[in-house]
Amino acid sequence: QKEVEQNSGPLSVPEGAIASLNCTYSDQGSQSFFWYRQYSGKSPELIMFIYSNGDKEDGRFTAQLNKASQYVSLLIRDSQPSDSATYLCAAKYGNKLVFGAGTILRVKS
Amino acid sequence: EAGVTQSPTHLIKTRGQQATLRCSPISGHTSVYWYQQALGLGLQFLLWYDEGEERNRGNFPPRFSGRQFPNYSSELNVNALELEDSALYLCASSYLDRAPYEQYFGPGTRLTVT
Repeated sequence: QKEVEQNSGPLSVPEGAIASLNCTYSDQGSQSFFWYRQYSGKSPELIMFIYSNGDKEDGRFTAQLNKASQYVSLLIRDSQPSDSATYLCAAKYGNKLVFGAGTILRVKS
Repeated sequence: EAGVTQSPTHLIKTRGQQATLRCSPISGHTSVYWYQQALGLGLQFLLWYDEGEERNRGNFPPRFSGRQFPNYSSELNVNALELEDSALYLCASSYLDRAPYEQYFGPGTRLTVT
């Protein structure tokens, strides 16, 4: 059973702080990982993908992957109220994405 | 470049009826994926089509089916609708031959079964 686990939250952070979102996966067969942002009532929007161990930065977002620990994280620097959403972690198995249940992030101004 | 499009936006059906949902992928993408997002259950993989063929399906009954047309657009059919089929149905598309094969989602179709 391929599973992706996320803390459902909500994770509350003050505006300007760093938000840290975490995800673990059960099957080492996955080589690619994706972070999506989903606003309430909307469809998921791709933020970043990562498939190499280490960090990958894109603007205010940094994805981190540790394959030995089967752990993926997303850091959001200088969090803004507009970052408030559900963040979905997904692991790719073949051509199928297995999603975690998502973490609700609330950025308070 | 236009994104993934889906129609209709909302669909209301009665138990036992059939629903048809449509999806057009991003230009150049050959793979289309269907997901179900029911309240409180997260995103569940339904079906994957590529080059007109069903390549993989998730753990859903056979009354969930679909097809992909020569222009790569796709249709999802749900027969004998049940109340628990009420959900947001999301279509995504990707390249099949360009890593990391990231998937982009359409706006979804909200299906309500009464």
